[in-house]
Amino acid sequence: AQSVTQLDSQVPVFEEAPVELRCNYSSSVSVYLFWYVQYPNQGLQLLLKYLSGSTLVESINGFEAEFNKSQTSFHLRKPSVHISDTAEYFCAVSETGRRALTFGSGTRLQVQP
Amino acid sequence: EAEVAQSPRYKITEKSQAVAFWCDPISGHATLYWYRQILGQGPELLVQFQDESVVDDSQLPKDRFSAERLKGVDSTLKIQPAELGDSAMYLCASSLTSGATDTQYFGPGTRLTVL
Repeated sequence: AQSVTQLDSQVPVFEEAPVELRCNYSSSVSVYLFWYVQYPNQGLQLLLKYLSGSTLVESINGFEAEFNKSQTSFHLRKPSVHISDTAEYFCAVSETGRRALTFGSGTRLQVQP
Repeated sequence: EAEVAQSPRYKITEKSQAVAFWCDPISGHATLYWYRQILGQGPELLVQFQDESVVDDSQLPKDRFSAERLKGVDSTLKIQPAELGDSAMYLCASSLTSGATDTQYFGPGTRLTVL
């Protein structure tokens, strides 16, 4: 069965500093990887996804994630965060043949001025 | 921009009572999901529909939970009777098809508190 581990439950960081949110997964088959963001009092929104091809994927608001098959990781990074990036971030995986997502437990990113 | 609608946004009930949640997916989306998100955890799938048919309800506690999508459009999730451990956020999501690569679009959720 597939599983997702987000090692950090909370990540405090100062504005304009770089950040990395870690995600590791386990699966016996090919997977597709997703990062979702949940702003306060809002639903989950897709941030970016890896399906195939280039292992580095980017979002429109400056986040990027790199798929590393050998380390079974899909870490999310941003070189310079803003206050507005404060949110909870969820890593998720789906397997070929199983459409539903399996989520990690989430990482709360707290950007401080 | 089309959105997934859910109601109510908040529900407080006493244990042993019945509760129902409603979800209206994005128009044209054939696949609908119900997830449960316990505080401090990620969402977990309860049930998945393809049109009006259930394709995965392996994690649905069927002794007390039921879900339907009668016309293949909107959906209702019911709990009867509610228990203290059911307190959680209930999320509805939809996608255009059932492909594993399809983006799932989430509604704002219904926060259930069982007293």
